[in-house]
Amino acid sequence: GAGVSQSPSNKVTEKGKDVELRCDPISGHTALYWYRQSLGQGLEFLIYFQGNSAPDKSGLPSDRFSAERTGGSVSTLTIQRTQQEDSAVYLCASSRGGQDPYGYTFGSGTRLTVV
Amino acid sequence: LAKTTQPISMDSYEGQEVNITCSHNNIATNDYITWYQQFPSQGPRFIIQGYKTKVTNEVASLFIPADRKSSTLSLPRVSLSDTAVYYCLVGGMDSSYKLIFGSGTRLLVRP
Repeated sequence: GAGVSQSPSNKVTEKGKDVELRCDPISGHTALYWYRQSLGQGLEFLIYFQGNSAPDKSGLPSDRFSAERTGGSVSTLTIQRTQQEDSAVYLCASSRGGQDPYGYTFGSGTRLTVV
Repeated sequence: LAKTTQPISMDSYEGQEVNITCSHNNIATNDYITWYQQFPSQGPRFIIQGYKTKVTNEVASLFIPADRKSSTLSLPRVSLSDTAVYYCLVGGMDSSYKLIFGSGTRLLVRP
């Protein structure tokens, strides 16, 4: 597609429920990244994919967080047993990988609210 | 990855030139300098990237002195729509995948 698409744009869930967040990167972009942004804060790196592999999962906050990518395209971030501190905007970005002169292209994010 | 320091906030008026300076004293030889812009409720948007000297595109200019320990993003003749948070990042060819975002500079453009 023309840009990075994320769905849903907003998600309200009850504490303890599982949620899945989806990211559709730009076609042909081999690298995909997930970030989290709490209200008024900077972006926190979560995980990076190169193709379908995730060489760096160091940013995932706990084992309740997992992510996968299939077909070198769509990625899903899953949060199990959601907690109130998981409330944030989850941003996905993609790039050509390596030193892409055009940087990352970000989606508009999924705003997750855990009540 | 080199840590960056930039002002928390800046105010300006429409039509003025705005310069935002970022310090990155520990920048490595293979690190590039990249700036992103973020509007409320949107993901960051790539503005400009450079390695040394001066880079200019249709949106901004990036000035990098010879020692590369700082960089300045220059926005010519800002408008109200330039009100946003601006992030300075450094990263190299092998580490650019893990861009580390600081708190950024919140620019407010007044009429």
